[in-house]
Amino acid sequence: DFVMTQSPDSLAVSLGERATINCKSSQSVFFGSNNKNYLAWYQQKPGQPPKLLIYWASTRESGVPDRFGGSGSGTDFTLTISSLQAEDVAVYYCQQYYGTPSFGPGTKVDIK
Amino acid sequence: EVQLVESGGGLVQPGGSLRLSCAASGFSFGSYGMSWVRQAPGKGLEWVSYIGGIISSIYYADSVKGRFTISRDNAKDSLYLQMNSLRAEDTAVYYCARDSDGSARVNYFDYWGQGTLVTVSS
Repeated sequence: DFVMTQSPDSLAVSLGERATINCKSSQSVFFGSNNKNYLAWYQQKPGQPPKLLIYWASTRESGVPDRFGGSGSGTDFTLTISSLQAEDVAVYYCQQYYGTPSFGPGTKVDIK
Repeated sequence: EVQLVESGGGLVQPGGSLRLSCAASGFSFGSYGMSWVRQAPGKGLEWVSYIGGIISSIYYADSVKGRFTISRDNAKDSLYLQMNSLRAEDTAVYYCARDSDGSARVNYFDYWGQGTLVTVSS
């Protein structure tokens, strides 16, 4: 089984500043045959379903602002919000889909 | 516009059964794999089950295997989850989610419904 961990559990960032969320998988999610990392990121606002932000670790979903960026490979990944906006307050989850899908526990992002 | 609308949630006693439905529109339903993902109150996300589109492979999380059954009716653009032998720990919002493609494996989820709440309590 793939166990996903995220850090920090929560963070507060000033408007316009950078927010960085880390995600670690217990096993590599990199598939060498297609050179892809099977890792996605979601944003969930209160009372709403999750929204896909990033897939293949670094590909931004259509319509997602370019202040959201994904990076990393193998077992260690990062979601970066380059300039935090008020509407970015949410919980962020990573998900691996290399094996039976599993999610990280989430990171709550607030405004400082 | 892709839309996924869940229904069928409610209050059920431990050991009881419930059938969830998800009505899909705005895309070629039969061409995509579909999953159920749940979220217990105040908790994180847990993938529950998947059914393929083009190839109707089926997978379950260990936590529901043998108790839950996923199915689909492509003629009705609908996804179902039959839940039997329900336990208190099955209490959650259940989301219907579209897989990114129709292959015989679970990928990432590009569209989600609003969810339906299942409460298992006496």
